[in-house]
Amino acid sequence: GESVGLHLPTLSVQEGDNSIINCAYSNSASDYFIWYKQESGKGPQFIIDIRSNMDKRQGQRVTVLLNKTVKHLSLQIAATQPGDSAVYFCAERVGGSYIPTFGRGTSLIVHP
Amino acid sequence: EAEVAQSPRYKITEKSQAVAFWCDPISGHATLYWYRQILGQGPELLVQFQDESVVDDSQLPKDRFSAERLKGVDSTLKIQPAELGDSAMYLCASSSRRGMNTEAFFGQGTRLTVV
Repeated sequence: GESVGLHLPTLSVQEGDNSIINCAYSNSASDYFIWYKQESGKGPQFIIDIRSNMDKRQGQRVTVLLNKTVKHLSLQIAATQPGDSAVYFCAERVGGSYIPTFGRGTSLIVHP
Repeated sequence: EAEVAQSPRYKITEKSQAVAFWCDPISGHATLYWYRQILGQGPELLVQFQDESVVDDSQLPKDRFSAERLKGVDSTLKIQPAELGDSAMYLCASSSRRGMNTEAFFGQGTRLTVV
């Protein structure tokens, strides 16, 4: 079964590498997706969003890819920096609902 | 830069005591959310307000939790009596438009420890 509590999936990368964080969602009715970054002891911080009528959106050093066929979302961070170390959450909204539902987070560790 | 304000940042309380958290959303934001986040997990919604009205409180343990937003601006979340399992981060968030694809902005949270 799925582990819970402190056993977050972890991605370790070297500074300067590109990072890819993945998220699977289960509700095919979800039509809006958001990636949040959460540093230790702080609230989640918005990174980038994407609507379901898109399959790719780019921001500054970040790209979100959406594959609705397999209900998969990814966040790509280019030239990862130590300041990118945090837990990353994807959140989804189902059409007709106004409430973002958070997925399981991924801990990103960037080594200098 | 506008931000969601929460207080206190940290709270330690004994079980069976009452505890309250306060949130002041970004000015002009009509929608306010209270989330609970257990260490190592994603935030889970407790209650959502649109102005002063509760939109969704289906996940709020109403036997001990209550939330209000009397004037449609700031909000208070109360727990009485607190239980050991309530230890978590309580996050407040606000967004500007209901029903639109717009992100929620989060406060720094209140870390509650029940002993």
